[in-house]
Amino acid sequence: AQSVAQPEDQVNVAEGNPLTVKCTYSVSGNPYLFWYVQYPNRGLQFLLKYITGDNLVKGSYGFEAEFNKSQTSFHLKKPSALVSDSALYFCAVRAPPTGLYNQGGKLIFGQGTELSVKP
Amino acid sequence: KAGVTQTPRYLIKTRGQQVTLSCSPISGHRSVSWYQQTPGQGLQFLFEYFSETQRNKGNFPGRFSGRQFSNSRSEMNVSTLELGDSALYLCASSPRDRVGDTGELFFGEGSRLTVL
Repeated sequence: AQSVAQPEDQVNVAEGNPLTVKCTYSVSGNPYLFWYVQYPNRGLQFLLKYITGDNLVKGSYGFEAEFNKSQTSFHLKKPSALVSDSALYFCAVRAPPTGLYNQGGKLIFGQGTELSVKP
Repeated sequence: KAGVTQTPRYLIKTRGQQVTLSCSPISGHRSVSWYQQTPGQGLQFLFEYFSETQRNKGNFPGRFSGRQFSNSRSEMNVSTLELGDSALYLCASSPRDRVGDTGELFFGEGSRLTVL
């Protein structure tokens, strides 16, 4: 069964410093991986995805993620954190299509990581 | 394009009552998925509808049901509400217009349900 783990409940970073939010996954076959961000009392916003191709994926708001197949990880990174990046971040995985209709709308989410960026 | 619209945004119910939540997907999107978000369980998949048919279902009791209309709008219903049903219910849409679609989901702002 697919699963996602975000080992850190909270990450604290000073503004201007690089940030990393960790994610590891377990899935049979090739993984489809996603990062979403959630601001208080809001829905989830898509940041980036990895389906295939380059291991370094660039996304919205200056975020990027590195896919590492051997370590089954998909860590979210940003070279210079902003106070406005403070939010809840979710890693998610979806199983690849197995038939005529794939599991496109079903994502397995990690528990989330609260990112706090201080001035 | 307008985003995913969920109504109502907030509602309060008492145990035993039922509730219906509505979701209007982005224009042209044919798939609608529903998720429950709670502090303890995180984000959990409820079900997905595509072309008015339920395609996937999560591990929730039969009290949780949904449907999709011909215009892709979707509703979910929870009957005989329990205190533990208090949560943020999120709807997400995607185009899903071809086999092998790998696109991201577009989420609404959610409906926050409080059960007293």
